[in-house]
Amino acid sequence: KAGVTQTPRYLIKTRGQQVTLSCSPISGHRSVSWYQQTPGQGLQFLFEYFSETQRNKGNFPGRFSGRQFSNSRSEMNVSTLELGDSALYLCASGQGNRFADTQYFGPGTRLTVL
Amino acid sequence: DQQVKQNSPSLSVQEGRISILNCDYTNSMFDYFLWYKKYPAEGPTFLISISSIKDKNEDGRFTVFLNKSAKHLSLHIVPSQPGDSAVYFCAASVLRGSQGNLIFGKGTKLSVKP
Repeated sequence: KAGVTQTPRYLIKTRGQQVTLSCSPISGHRSVSWYQQTPGQGLQFLFEYFSETQRNKGNFPGRFSGRQFSNSRSEMNVSTLELGDSALYLCASGQGNRFADTQYFGPGTRLTVL
Repeated sequence: DQQVKQNSPSLSVQEGRISILNCDYTNSMFDYFLWYKKYPAEGPTFLISISSIKDKNEDGRFTVFLNKSAKHLSLHIVPSQPGDSAVYFCAASVLRGSQGNLIFGKGTKLSVKP
């Protein structure tokens, strides 16, 4: 079974631009979560999508948004990029089961904002 | 306010010995706990999980213990191998209320010396 894939793996943008990251979950998984990893803050939850609906959201500004398609693939968008948005963005997929939901992570997209 | 704490940033162990990684949490609503291993520039790899209805779960060389009264869990690796050298993250979630939202500790860097 193929794992979680993320594209692109690396991205360089400048302040003020916007960026879209993509995530393909493990086949059969309906839940996709996004996390931001930075050296200072560690791994922080952005949001989760399940069956094309945002089910949960972390404490990030509205510049961070996402969506999920009918095939469970998900995209994350960051508008008006700031230097502090430089981070590793990780996507994780799971079955969305409310009793034992293990999330499996992709390799991440390394975003650098100049 | 850190809800999941890994108080040891690093741990060094001799090959063949036991590695014990600790994790404390403050939110009594957490009902599902996971351990991930992470290499640089890669996404976290799922190791083992435990539900709050259990106090122990074992998978090969990895055992997780949960002490709900102390709000403490630990990961035991026996015997430790040089390939186990990585950063280990403890994560927790409240499955009944906030699916898809994993709260991570800051990680413990394990070094297993040959």
